[in-house]
Amino acid sequence: DQQVKQNSPSLSVQEGRISILNCDYTNSMFDYFLWYKKYPAEGPTFLISISSIKDKNEDGRFTVFLNKSAKHLSLHIVPSQPGDSAVYFCAASATTVGTSYGKLTFGQGTILTVHP
Amino acid sequence: KAGVTQTPRYLIKTRGQQVTLSCSPISGHRSVSWYQQTPGQGLQFLFEYFSETQRNKGNFPGRFSGRQFSNSRSEMNVSTLELGDSALYLCASSQGAGTTKTQYFGPGTRLLVL
Repeated sequence: DQQVKQNSPSLSVQEGRISILNCDYTNSMFDYFLWYKKYPAEGPTFLISISSIKDKNEDGRFTVFLNKSAKHLSLHIVPSQPGDSAVYFCAASATTVGTSYGKLTFGQGTILTVHP
Repeated sequence: KAGVTQTPRYLIKTRGQQVTLSCSPISGHRSVSWYQQTPGQGLQFLFEYFSETQRNKGNFPGRFSGRQFSNSRSEMNVSTLELGDSALYLCASSQGAGTTKTQYFGPGTRLLVL
C-alpha cells in the first residue's frame, strides 16, 4: 500500500509564478514531513520540513503547509525559477516508536519544470 | 562540513555475485539509513543503524544486510545478486536515531546487475 502519494507526476509553470506541489498520506502515525529535491543520478537534497504541531513552515522561497485533518501537505515555491526544475519528493516519518519509526516513506515524486 | 559520501559511485556486477557499498555520514551524525531507488518502486527504505545497532528494517529479503562501525561509517551488502537489484542505492545520515532529525543524503551508488 502506498502510504504517501503524490498524485501529479509532473507540473509545468512559468518563471516568476507560484509552483504548488501536493502530497497526501494515509498513515495517522506520521508526524514529521519533509520535502526533497532530486536531480537524476544524484541523492535527494533536503528542502524544508514540518512537524505535525505546526501547520506552516517557511524558508525563503519555500513554504510547506500541513492540513492534518485532510492528511495533506503542499509545497509552495514563490517565485519559481528555472533552476528549481527537478523531481520533488515528499516524505513522511513517525517520531514515536512503531513500524514507521526511523525511516522515511517517500511519495513517487513530481517532476517540476519551470519555463523561462 | 563535508556531506555524506558514498563509494563506489558506479558498479557493474553479474548475477550471483555479491557487492558491498560504503557510506560515510556527516561528521557528528550517528544514524545512517539506506534506501533503494528504482523506476518502478521509487525510494524504499532498507534499514537504519544507530550506534552500531540496526534499529529498523524495511521489507527486503535477507540477501540485503548492513552494519555500522564505531566511527558511524556504514556498509551494506547484497549477496547473490539478481537483475532486479539494479538500482540507485542511497545512504542518509542524521544526528539522532529515528527521524526526529532531518536525514541528509549522499550522491548514491548506481549498481547495474547483468
